[in-house]
Amino acid sequence: AQTVTQSQPEMSVQEAETVTLSCTYDTSESDYYLFWYKQPPSRQMILVIRQEAYKQQNATENRFSVNFQKAAKSFSLKISDSQLGDAAMYFCAYSSPAQKLVFGQGTRLTINP
Amino acid sequence: DVKVTQSSRYLVKRTGEKVFLECVQDMDHENMFWYRQDPGLGLRLIYFSYDVKMKEKGDIPEGYSVSREKKERFSLILESASTNQTSMYLCASSFTWGYTQYFGPGTRLTVL
Repeated sequence: AQTVTQSQPEMSVQEAETVTLSCTYDTSESDYYLFWYKQPPSRQMILVIRQEAYKQQNATENRFSVNFQKAAKSFSLKISDSQLGDAAMYFCAYSSPAQKLVFGQGTRLTINP
Repeated sequence: DVKVTQSSRYLVKRTGEKVFLECVQDMDHENMFWYRQDPGLGLRLIYFSYDVKMKEKGDIPEGYSVSREKKERFSLILESASTNQTSMYLCASSFTWGYTQYFGPGTRLTVL
């Protein structure tokens, strides 16, 4: 079965600095999708970024980018110029075609002003 | 914008009660999901549905059932609530497999 591991239960970063959240996954599939979701305190879970495994280019969304290492089965999220509004739980997730989404345990990110 | 709504943000029930959690999406999505979120465990899939009247068990279906009579509505039912079902319940929908899942605001259920 596919598994997703986030080894950092908590992270903190100074405002305006850069932070990287780690995620590794285990799969025997070659075609799949990876996601980072953000859940702010008491607010709705939203998508941060999505990566298709067949695409070698790393996905980016404004200040958010990923480092996708397919051979190493690693999918880290880099947040540049951290802002107070980035404080949230971040979940890494994996999905293969016609399969359910599998989530990691989450990383709680704190932004220090 | 996709909107996923859940019937309650907070719910308090007693052990043994039958509990209904409802979820509605407005984007004609095929797939709908119910998750349970507990600290340190991430999100765990309870049930999902890929079409009206179709359902599949997820990782932790015991003690739960679901109903999808209309495409936009997916209900989670706790037949006889127990204290170990105290949790945050999240509903989500997606266009199809591999696409982004859109989440509702969650229902925090407490079973006394």
